[in-house]
Amino acid sequence: ETGVTQSPTHLIKTRGQQVTLRCSSQSGHNTVSWYQQALGQGPQFIFQYYREEENGRGNFPPRFSGLQFPNYSSELNVNALELDDSALYLCASSLTREWSDTQYFGPGTRLTVL
Amino acid sequence: SQELEQSPQSLIVQEGKNLTINCTSSKTLYGLYWYKQKYGEGLIFLMMLQKGGEEKSHEKITAKLDEKKQQSSLHITASQPSHAGIYLCGADPNYQLIWGAGTKLIIKP
Repeated sequence: ETGVTQSPTHLIKTRGQQVTLRCSSQSGHNTVSWYQQALGQGPQFIFQYYREEENGRGNFPPRFSGLQFPNYSSELNVNALELDDSALYLCASSLTREWSDTQYFGPGTRLTVL
Repeated sequence: SQELEQSPQSLIVQEGKNLTINCTSSKTLYGLYWYKQKYGEGLIFLMMLQKGGEEKSHEKITAKLDEKKQQSSLHITASQPSHAGIYLCGADPNYQLIWGAGTKLIIKP
């Protein structure tokens, strides 16, 4: 158990819809990162939030957006869903944004876009 | 941009045997993480290596970082069914973790 939770566990959407995924970080962890993991591949970095501000972004279009709240929860929003968005979405929290800080991952949300 | 390549992609090992997984970077490695993932689940932290030549062990898993070769290896001794899963290496060149594609380990009884 890492103390990081995600909801929902599974989600099915249709192309063009919008989706919000949620993550609850470990208490005291100021940094949350979101990753997309397609089947059979390593995670791809989407973005990171540090103290409620975006701290870095991977190669993902603007329709992927996020929010981080003061209560250590965060959201990943995806607009205009495409079939290729089907993946496991992982969030990870860490105490600071220093690279040497261990990231603690949630169990993920499996998104299927039909 | 930096890339991490893992080998082998998959591995089937008889229970009780030793095995090694490698992670090779396209650029200088200043540090490396090893994580384990059960199929379709979140990642579990195994260990982090920060300096060239560093070696860490946890239970039957040992990881080494060879800075000159830009490579890290993960060695499992006397494998058990609980070792089955996907092993991922990660590096953080600029506040964002990049990952290898993973090595799928299957333990045969």
